[in-house]
Amino acid sequence: EIVMTQSPATLSVSPGERATLSCRASQSVSSNLAWYQQKPGQAPRLLIYSASTRATGIPARFSGSGSGTEFTLTISSLQSEDFAIYYCQQYNNWPPRFGQGTKLEIK
Amino acid sequence: EVQLVESGGVVVQPGGSLRLSCAASGFTFDDYTMHWVRQAPGKGLEWVSLISWDGVSTYYADSVKGRFTISRDNSKNSLYLQMNSLRTEDTALYYCAKDLVGASYYFDYWGQGTLVTVSS
Repeated sequence: EIVMTQSPATLSVSPGERATLSCRASQSVSSNLAWYQQKPGQAPRLLIYSASTRATGIPARFSGSGSGTEFTLTISSLQSEDFAIYYCQQYNNWPPRFGQGTKLEIK
Repeated sequence: EVQLVESGGVVVQPGGSLRLSCAASGFTFDDYTMHWVRQAPGKGLEWVSLISWDGVSTYYADSVKGRFTISRDNSKNSLYLQMNSLRTEDTALYYCAKDLVGASYYFDYWGQGTLVTVSS
């Protein structure tokens, strides 16, 4: 089974700055990767799928890149509402798996 | 507006059974594969099960295979999860989630979850 590893576990960034979150797969998942945002007490929200396609209604400041085993979620200019936990998720190999999450906190 | 509303979560003893429900609205329910995803308290996300649009195909995580059964009633726009032989490690918030398209395994809408606590 594929293991998804996210780094860092916690990222401290100031509002208005850029945030770069990483996700690594233990073997290639091609471009079959998604990113989700989860705020406290809320359900996850799909941000990016197929590694780089923004989901409906997601602001352009969110972008995804990568393929194979290395993926990045970039938030170009952090807004107050972006501080949350972010999960990557692969579906290229059974079963679908999530990473352990990166907590994005205000610096 | 797409809405998914889960119900049925309670406190249950180890070895017990429970049935979760998810009421869907705002989209053509029988066009979409549906999933259950769970999250243990303070932990990450774990995919649990899926059912195809027509209910013919079902799949399960190894951790629940043989104990949980997913089903749907398209006439009622509802998704279900029958949970048997519950273990303490099944304690989690259970979300139903809609597949983005086909069986992409991308989850574009989620409910707010229903909490299952397995404890003696």
